[in-house]
Amino acid sequence: QVQLQESGPGLVNPSETLSLTCSVSGYSISSGYYWGWIRQPPGKALEWIGSAFHNGNTNYAPSLRSRVAISIDTSKNLLSLKLNSVTAADTAVYYCARDGRFLEWFFDFWGQGTLVTVSS
Amino acid sequence: QSALTQPPSVSGSPGQSVTISCTGTSSDVGKFNYVSWYQRHPGKAPKFMIYDVTKRASGVPDRFSGSKSGNTASLTISGLQAEDEAEYYCCSYAGGYSLIFGGGTKLTVL
Repeated sequence: QVQLQESGPGLVNPSETLSLTCSVSGYSISSGYYWGWIRQPPGKALEWIGSAFHNGNTNYAPSLRSRVAISIDTSKNLLSLKLNSVTAADTAVYYCARDGRFLEWFFDFWGQGTLVTVSS
Repeated sequence: QSALTQPPSVSGSPGQSVTISCTGTSSDVGKFNYVSWYQRHPGKAPKFMIYDVTKRASGVPDRFSGSKSGNTASLTISGLQAEDEAEYYCCSYAGGYSLIFGGGTKLTVL
């Protein structure tokens, strides 16, 4: 069974960089599939942030493209997210998920999510 | 790209059927047959339920079904059970490699 677990600081200062990692178990990231990040601000809809493939290919949401970077470390089976110049609007629960894009358009395995608050 | 529109809440009694709507536009739900649905219990990881509008993910009971008409997709849960009480989210491919989600619907089993 594929399992994902997000980790990272729960509090980030405004204007700084939000950094999260997602540990994947039960499946080798280098075997295929894209791996993505999705977030949900309090009281708002889920929002796809972006997804990455183990060969370095990435897709990003247009609204976040200028501030986001997603990468994969195949040696650690780890997915990473960096979002720079954060503001209070970036406060959200952040999820990582396996993304079936280009074959299927859905997320079939998700982490439990981690709350990140942007505040000084 | 705006979020898909879902009703904030729906409710039903055990054994009844409920339907959750998910309204998009002719650029997403109406254009592509790539609507998926997710169930989320408090504090748990979202669970993949439905994909390609009507297909059930592995292990999902056949009480859960999906459909689409025009720009609106729907999730129907028949034979409602207490364990179905959760939040449900729809998602649609929106072109340009992007996916958009709905705001979520809280299902209460009375």
